Amino acid sequence: EIVLTQSPGTLSLSPGERATLSCRASESVSSTHFAWYQQKPGQAPRLLIYGASSRATGIPDRFSGSGSGTDFTLTISRLEPEDFAVYYCQQFGNSFTFGPGTTVDFK
Amino acid sequence: EVQLVETGGGLIQPGGSLRLSCAASGFTVSSYYMTWVRQAPGKGLEWVSVIYKIGTTYYADSVKGRFTISRDNSKNTLYLQMNSLRAEDTAVYYCAREGWDVWGKGTTVTVSS
Repeated sequence: EIVLTQSPGTLSLSPGERATLSCRASESVSSTHFAWYQQKPGQAPRLLIYGASSRATGIPDRFSGSGSGTDFTLTISRLEPEDFAVYYCQQFGNSFTFGPGTTVDFK
Repeated sequence: EVQLVETGGGLIQPGGSLRLSCAASGFTVSSYYMTWVRQAPGKGLEWVSVIYKIGTTYYADSVKGRFTISRDNSKNTLYLQMNSLRAEDTAVYYCAREGWDVWGKGTTVTVSS
């Protein structure tokens, strides 16, 4: 089973700051089968990034994804108040696994 | 509108059974692989099961032998039959479509005596 590790566990930032979230896989993952999600309390996860770097429909361009192999990054260029949430990475090329999540909260 | 709506959750005693439904609209479930994902209270996301277009099914080790995924093409609905339920199965259960861009709002399953 491919294990995904996300860092940091919590990121405390202010609106307008840049957020950089990391996801590391225990073995190489196909970029085609790698995604990032945002989840707010009481809501279902929302797809942000698919194919490691493509924004899903309706996702603002302040969100960007990069990486390949075992190391992937989600960057939020300038945090808006609505961006404070939990972010999960996922691979679905070899079964399906999610990372444990990174919480972006207010500093 | 493309939509998934889960129903069937509730409070169930350990050892009991429950069937979750996921009704789809705006697309045909048999044209995609469909999955169940769950989230225990205060925890992260855990993949549970998948059914592929050709009908092949797979399960997480934690539910293998106890849960069964299926679909009814005539009703355009996905199901999750859950037997021998345990306290650790307590979670919000989501269904999601291949592509992972369409998720239901979830249904809550609580396993407790």
